[in-house]
Amino acid sequence: QQQVKQSPQSLIVQKGGISIINCAYENTAFDYFPWYQQFPGKGPALLIAIRPDVSEKKEGRFTISFNKSAKQFSLHIMDSQPGDSATYFCAASIKMGAQKLVFGQGTRLTINP
Amino acid sequence: EAGVTQSPTHLIKTRGQQVTLRCSPISGHTSVYWYQQALGLGLQFLLWYDEGEERNRGNFPPRFSGRQFPNYSSELNVNALELEDSALYLCASSGWIQETQYFGPGTRLLVL
Repeated sequence: QQQVKQSPQSLIVQKGGISIINCAYENTAFDYFPWYQQFPGKGPALLIAIRPDVSEKKEGRFTISFNKSAKQFSLHIMDSQPGDSATYFCAASIKMGAQKLVFGQGTRLTINP
Repeated sequence: EAGVTQSPTHLIKTRGQQVTLRCSPISGHTSVYWYQQALGLGLQFLLWYDEGEERNRGNFPPRFSGRQFPNYSSELNVNALELEDSALYLCASSGWIQETQYFGPGTRLLVL
């Protein structure tokens, strides 16, 4: 019940296309859903995050869509660029309580020029 | 504002040895988290320290331990190293009752 399932494992998108990564969770106590971007040899960097009281959050080319009833959320990268090539992790946590982040397995995104 | 810093960046040890990894959180942050990222796997939660106390622990054996100092920096100790301990060890910090965790660059540990 603590798992976060992420798909796909890898994704190849042409420059200018839309990259979509999906995550699903079981624990309805989760109330914070961040996405992290990780480049090789670096630590994960927070990209964008959402709380379950909104269905969508947009920051620049990055959008999180959240479906509370389906217990799913997704990251959309519009106008994907080669510099977006990285590994993306979705995560979930409970704000008050354990506060640990439960991560998905990651998606290796490659943007072809 | 300086980010989370970790030392050393790389470490090579042999089976059975002990290792200590260090983490300095962002100034003003009181919580420190440790995660293990083994090759090809996601990030697995190890430990959470807040105000000098261990608040939560992941599903790891007792040979993984740590502590947090009065200046909120933290150490992760791993005793009796095993080959499968080879991984990137990431430290993150957050402020008081803030869910956002900011990660350091990690320490890459190789156990031979």
